[in-house]
Amino acid sequence: AQRVTQPEKLLSVFKGAPVELKCNYSYSGSPELFWYVQYSRQRLQLLLRHISRESIKGFTADLNKGETSFHLKKPFAQEEDSAMYYCALSGSGGYNKLIFGAGTRLAVHP
Amino acid sequence: DGGITQSPKYLFRKEGQNVTLSCEQNLNHDAMYWYRQDPGQGLRLIYYSQIVNDFQKGDIAEGYSVSREKKESFPLTVTSAQKNPTAFYLCASSIGEKLFFGSGTQLSVL
Repeated sequence: AQRVTQPEKLLSVFKGAPVELKCNYSYSGSPELFWYVQYSRQRLQLLLRHISRESIKGFTADLNKGETSFHLKKPFAQEEDSAMYYCALSGSGGYNKLIFGAGTRLAVHP
Repeated sequence: DGGITQSPKYLFRKEGQNVTLSCEQNLNHDAMYWYRQDPGQGLRLIYYSQIVNDFQKGDIAEGYSVSREKKESFPLTVTSAQKNPTAFYLCASSIGEKLFFGSGTQLSVL
């Protein structure tokens, strides 16, 4: 079965601390993974995708096929990073059938 | 203002009633989607449409129906067969692997 697990419902850190939001997936083929973010009073939007190997707003995520993980990292958290983060998997259903994790709320305190 | 418009923002359904959620986009995207979001859970796919006059069931299509008569519009009807309709409903459209989301409709049962 294809599944995305985000084990933490809430991650609370202080400004300037490193952040790692965990995402593990279950899929036997070659996955494509994404991180979506929802800031307060804004729409859910794409943050980054693993095929781009990009850094957006200081966040990076590396696909680790051995550990079936796609953790989202940022070395120094900012207050404006506070949001809900969703990991998503494009598996056998393709882009039309993304599978989302339950989400992790990141709270960055001053 | 370009993007995806969902209406209404809040909707109440009486027992045995069908209700329709509106989703309109002016992004000229071929593909459109409906997701359901419940507290503590990720987004679950209800229906999707890759092109006008065609749509496919997602993971939780029972009790829902859709139509895609125009490229811009993808309305979702929550029928009386859906026994647990209270949820937040998100509409999205896509180009390639990137989803663009609406602001959502909260449906509650009276």
